Amino acid sequence: GENVEQHPSTLSVQEGDSAVIKCTYSDSASNYFPWYKQELGKGPQLIIDIRSNVGEKKDQRIAVTLNKTAKHFSLHITETQPEDSAVYFCAANGRGGSQGNLIFGKGTKLSVKP
Amino acid sequence: GAVVSQHPSRVICKSGTSVKIECRSLDFQATTMFWYRQFPKQSLMLMATSNEGSKATYEQGVEKDKFLINHASLTLSTLTVTSAHPEDSSFYICSAAGVINYNSPLHFGNGTRLTVT
Repeated sequence: GENVEQHPSTLSVQEGDSAVIKCTYSDSASNYFPWYKQELGKGPQLIIDIRSNVGEKKDQRIAVTLNKTAKHFSLHITETQPEDSAVYFCAANGRGGSQGNLIFGKGTKLSVKP
Repeated sequence: GAVVSQHPSRVICKSGTSVKIECRSLDFQATTMFWYRQFPKQSLMLMATSNEGSKATYEQGVEKDKFLINHASLTLSTLTVTSAHPEDSSFYICSAAGVINYNSPLHFGNGTRLTVT
């Protein structure tokens, strides 16, 4: 079945620096790739998503890139702030492309030091 | 934006009792809801897919008689953990989408922390 690998598992950056989290997926039929931010004790919040018909998407300090050939996608956070500290999950839709069945990466704990 | 409400946020129960968790879509009709389980410092594992008006589809290894799912309306799905045991202690999260299509992102509830003593 679909497998999503996420790296790194932990990431510590200084406030103002950039953070990059990378994911790879195995199912070539996947066409939807969301990123979620999860704060302690809360459910995941969708922060950005990208579909397979585009290679890059940006929303203020957050951007996501997708390389369909290599089957990897990345989250880029610029000008990081302490409130960006959280666990970030990438995901890809599995089961032959059904958008509802998301397969999650193992998560990246991002710490932004003031 | 789309809001998914989950209740309760925390519950402590004794071993052998049953616990019901509710998941509601507040501003949209959710034809499909998903139930996930998350262990500490781990990722989300899909337990089952709940379709309004039909039986839920369970992932491999998830006991359907243990985790009862009911999706009786377009805004409410419930997960009942029956005869709970300490190993059922976990963070349970639901998600919902209006229409599972190319433009329908999933939104998650804030989770339910279940502790079985």
